[in-house]
Amino acid sequence: DTGVSQDPRHKITKRGQNVTFRCDPISEHNRLYWYRQTLGQGPEFLTYFQNEAQLEKSRLLSDRFSAERPKGSFSTLEIQRTEQGDSAMYLCASSFFRGRFTGANVLTFGAGSRLTVL
Amino acid sequence: AQKVTQAQTEISVVEKEDVTLDCVYETRDTTYYLFWYKQPPSGELVFLIRRNSFDEQNEISGRYSWNFQKSTSSFNFTITASQVVDSAVYFCALSSSIQGAQKLVFGQGTRLTINP
Repeated sequence: DTGVSQDPRHKITKRGQNVTFRCDPISEHNRLYWYRQTLGQGPEFLTYFQNEAQLEKSRLLSDRFSAERPKGSFSTLEIQRTEQGDSAMYLCASSFFRGRFTGANVLTFGAGSRLTVL
Repeated sequence: AQKVTQAQTEISVVEKEDVTLDCVYETRDTTYYLFWYKQPPSGELVFLIRRNSFDEQNEISGRYSWNFQKSTSSFNFTITASQVVDSAVYFCALSSSIQGAQKLVFGQGTRLTINP
C-alpha cells in the first residue's frame, strides 16, 4: 500500500480554465475527503464520500466545484471557470469508517495538488 | 461552532531544546476528538496523535508528549530534545465524535524551525 496518491502535484492555469484533480485513496478505505489549504492556513473541509455517496459538502464548495467518486474508489475534484481565489493546495484524505460511535477514524492524507491560477 | 486556535505562528529553537506548541479549542460537544498532525515541506499531513474528550491522561511517545486539559480547553504538544528533522508545520485539529471525524477543524498551524 503506497498511501493516498494525488495527481497532478502542481497545476498552473489561467483564470477561466477548468482543472481536474484526481485522488487515489488507500484501497481498503471506504471514506474519502477533500480539503483545501491556502498559504499560511490550516486545511478546510470541502466534502467527503462514503463509498460512492457524497455525504456532505461545505459552503466553501461553490457551484463551480464538483467532486465525484463514481465507483467508490478514486475521486476527482473539478473546478470550472477558475478564479485567482481558487489558488490553494487541494488535499485528499481517506479513512476506514467502521460505523457511528466506534470512535473517530484517523484520516490519512495525500501530499496534495497545488493549484495556481494566473 | 467548533474552533481551534494555535496562537504561535512560528517558533524557532536550537537543536536539543525542548519546545511546546500550544493548542486551545472551542466546542459545545461533550464528546469530541483532538488530533495533532505534522506537515513537513513535502506537504503531506502526517498523523501524530488522537485523543478523545474522556481521556485526559497525558501521553508520551518517545520525544513527543501531549498534555490534554479539559478545564482550560487545551491540548498542548511538547517535543523534548528537539532535532532538525522535527522542523515542520504542526496542526492541531478537532472533530465531533458523532460525525466520525470526517470534518476536522484545523488550527492555523505553528511553523517550527529547529536550527542546528
